[in-house]
Amino acid sequence: QQQVKQSPQSLIVQKGGIPIINCAYENTAFDYFPWYQQFPGKGPALLIAIRPDVSEKKEGRFTISFNKSAKQFSLHIMDSQPGDSATYFCAAGLGGSARQLTFGSGTQLTVLP
Amino acid sequence: ETGVTQTPRHLVMGMTNKKSLKCEQHLGHNAMYWYKQSAKKPLELMFVYSLEERVENNSVPSRFSPECPNSSHLFLHLHTLQPEDSALYLCASSQHPQVSAGELFFGEGSRLTVL
Repeated sequence: QQQVKQSPQSLIVQKGGIPIINCAYENTAFDYFPWYQQFPGKGPALLIAIRPDVSEKKEGRFTISFNKSAKQFSLHIMDSQPGDSATYFCAAGLGGSARQLTFGSGTQLTVLP
Repeated sequence: ETGVTQTPRHLVMGMTNKKSLKCEQHLGHNAMYWYKQSAKKPLELMFVYSLEERVENNSVPSRFSPECPNSSHLFLHLHTLQPEDSALYLCASSQHPQVSAGELFFGEGSRLTVL
């Protein structure tokens, strides 16, 4: 019940395309949904996060869409660039505790020039 | 530069060796974490230290032993590891373990290979 299922495992798009990464969860008590971005040789870094009281959040070219009834959330990258090529992890948090953060298995995104 | 520094970046060890991974954070945070990252798997939380209290993941084998001498330094002592322990070990910190969920600051990791 603590799992977060992430898909696809890998994704290749052309520059300017809109890659979409999806995550699903079971535990309705989750109340915080961050996305992390990890470049090769680096640690993950927080990209954007959403709480379940809103259905969408935008930060620059990155948008999180949240569907509470379906227990799903997704990351959209508008006008993707080769520099966006990285591994993206979704996560779900419980009760405001970093100890209770459950990560997805990651999506390796490649944006072709 | 995330403010979390891990050494060594790469480590190769035999199954009978004893080694340690080191993490230092310069962010003034009160909680530090060890995560294990294996290919195509979710990040796995191994240990949490907050205000010098340790919280363990009970599924972590005893061949991994953490040490947190102060709020800025964290070690992971390794002994008699198995080849399946080969992975990227990430250290992270946060301002407080009970708030700021998701606001983890990660180091660049220590790539461990067990022969």
